[in-house]
Amino acid sequence: NAGVTQTPKFRVLKTGQSMTLLCAQDMNHEYMYWYRQDPGMGLRLIHYSVGEGTTAKGEVPDGYNVSRLKKQNFLLGLESAAPSQTSVYFCASRLGKGPTVETQYFGPGTRLLVL
Amino acid sequence: EDQVTQSPEALRLQEGESSSLNCSYTVSGLRGLFWYRQDPGKGPEFLFTLYSAGEEKEKERLKATLTKKESFLHITAPKPEDSATYLCAVHPGRRALTFGSGTRLQVQP
Repeated sequence: NAGVTQTPKFRVLKTGQSMTLLCAQDMNHEYMYWYRQDPGMGLRLIHYSVGEGTTAKGEVPDGYNVSRLKKQNFLLGLESAAPSQTSVYFCASRLGKGPTVETQYFGPGTRLLVL
Repeated sequence: EDQVTQSPEALRLQEGESSSLNCSYTVSGLRGLFWYRQDPGKGPEFLFTLYSAGEEKEKERLKATLTKKESFLHITAPKPEDSATYLCAVHPGRRALTFGSGTRLQVQP
């Protein structure tokens, strides 16, 4: 199993450009998440999905959109990038079944620089 | 509001010098507390989950404990390869984790 994979690994954008980050998991997980990580601020939740075709806002959703058309994929879009969106983006997933909270597994991250 | 505070922010140890990292939390309805390890340029790697006060888990030189207000990650006789950022997160009953900002651990030979 590849686990959670993310593409691209690194990207440079100019202010106002758009892009899509792709997250894929091969563990048949129901729940998927997008976080951003900034120095000194920890990981903050952007959007999440509890199943195919569903999405919900997290702590810092402004400026981002997401889609979950297929169970294994979770896309994060930036319609008009801003320098404040310079960050490292992590995708995560968990099984989402059963009474206890299972482990979230993380991808390797996408480093985004907005100039 | 759910909050997770980790201390210290950074810790430098000599190889073999045992210590503890702290994670204090304020959350309504804790459903789990998670410890992750993160190496530079990589994603967080799962270490432990603790579900109830009094629970303890061990893995090699690491031991995690949980009370109603905080968790400790004890590192016994650390080695340089234990150098990393250690993240604590709580699952408060909503659908995602709330993370602390981490403790950067450096173990010198």
